[in-house]
Amino acid sequence: GENVEQHPSTLSVQEGDSAVIKCTYSDSASNYFPWYKQELGKRPQLIIDIRSNVGEKKDQRIAVTLNKTAKHFSLHITETQPEDSAVYFCAHDPEAAGNKLTFGGGTRVLVKP
Amino acid sequence: DVKVTQSSRYLVKRTGEKVFLECVQDMDHENMFWYRQDPGLGLRLIYFSYDVKMKEKGDIPEGYSVSREKKERFSLILESASTNQTSMYLCASSLGLRNTIYFGEGSWLTVV
Repeated sequence: GENVEQHPSTLSVQEGDSAVIKCTYSDSASNYFPWYKQELGKRPQLIIDIRSNVGEKKDQRIAVTLNKTAKHFSLHITETQPEDSAVYFCAHDPEAAGNKLTFGGGTRVLVKP
Repeated sequence: DVKVTQSSRYLVKRTGEKVFLECVQDMDHENMFWYRQDPGLGLRLIYFSYDVKMKEKGDIPEGYSVSREKKERFSLILESASTNQTSMYLCASSLGLRNTIYFGEGSWLTVV
């Protein structure tokens, strides 16, 4: 599948600060962009997703923005808490192939109390 | 609540052994997937199935095969395990191609 680059690979923030993770993709046909959170020793779980017909979506402390022209999308976590510590994966659907997803390499987020 | 169950959480196998990883979902989902997770590489799709007895190669199918004889069960097979197949394997399912993917807990496979 088409690659998606995810940055940074690790992110350490102080509790209460914001965290931002950015992903860049290359396939213009992509139209679905989910974000998954994987806590240590647990399964990845969907936390938020966005489709290409909107530029931003928010759910409490997390938000995702999408710039289709520049082919990048970002996850924003505000007022971070220790339970936000996890690995976060972005993904997209190359060639608009539904949920045959291609994932980024992951970002390990550590929220320091 | 969707449940995707992987029967083996931790396995240690010898090089050349045939390995079966089993996955069952209880939500009557059409699609099932096998991913491999390695540090820094994210999740890479090995195979997926959109119907019973149907399968399609993902991004890294070499060295693997799959079987889907029943809708709820999707098996990943390593015909002859090699050390470079040491990894975490994640099974997943979704109702349809536009629906959320749900993952299992993962199977840690070590090939020695």
